[in-house]
Amino acid sequence: AQSVTQPDIHITVSEGASLELRCNYSYGATPYLFWYVQSPGQGLQLLLKYFSGDTLVQGIKGFEAEFKRSQSSFNLRKPSVHWSDAAEYFCAVVTAFGSKLTFGTGTRLQVTL
Amino acid sequence: GAVVSQHPSRVICKSGTSVKIECRSLDFQATTMFWYRQFPKQSLMLMATSNEGSKATYEQGVEKDKFLINHASLTLSTLTVTSAHPEDSSFYICSARTGGGSEETQYFGPGTRLLVL
Repeated sequence: AQSVTQPDIHITVSEGASLELRCNYSYGATPYLFWYVQSPGQGLQLLLKYFSGDTLVQGIKGFEAEFKRSQSSFNLRKPSVHWSDAAEYFCAVVTAFGSKLTFGTGTRLQVTL
Repeated sequence: GAVVSQHPSRVICKSGTSVKIECRSLDFQATTMFWYRQFPKQSLMLMATSNEGSKATYEQGVEKDKFLINHASLTLSTLTVTSAHPEDSSFYICSARTGGGSEETQYFGPGTRLLVL
């Protein structure tokens, strides 16, 4: 079965600093990959997704993610973090169209001023 | 992007009562909707997959008689927590899937916080 690992439970960065959130997956083939963000007490908002093609994907709010097949990773990046980016970030995969999402355990981002 | 709403956003009920949560896709039709449960500081746990016009598919360990799901139309799915008990207190989130192939995406509702006294 596929699995998703987010190694960092909690990350703190200063406002204006760069950010990288890690995501690794375990699956025999290339899955379809997503990053979602959840603000406290809210649902999830889709930041970006990767199905195929260009391995660098641009999303909303200035986020991007890079798919690296050799490392089974799909790390999320942002060059300059804003205080409003403080939230919980979830990486998720589906193994085929029509199948269910499998979520990672999430990374909580704290932004210091 | 596509919008999914949930109602109510927050509910407090007495133990033994039933609570219904609605999930609506506002600007698209969704043949498949999903219900998740999230405990504090944890990831989402899929409870069931709801398909329009058919019975829901429940994940292992989820009591289908306790968590009744109805997907009566392409824009509405409901989750009813029957005979709720304090251990059912949680944050419930629905999502609706749209698009096909590479356009396939799940959009999530804002969640419903249930507190059972």
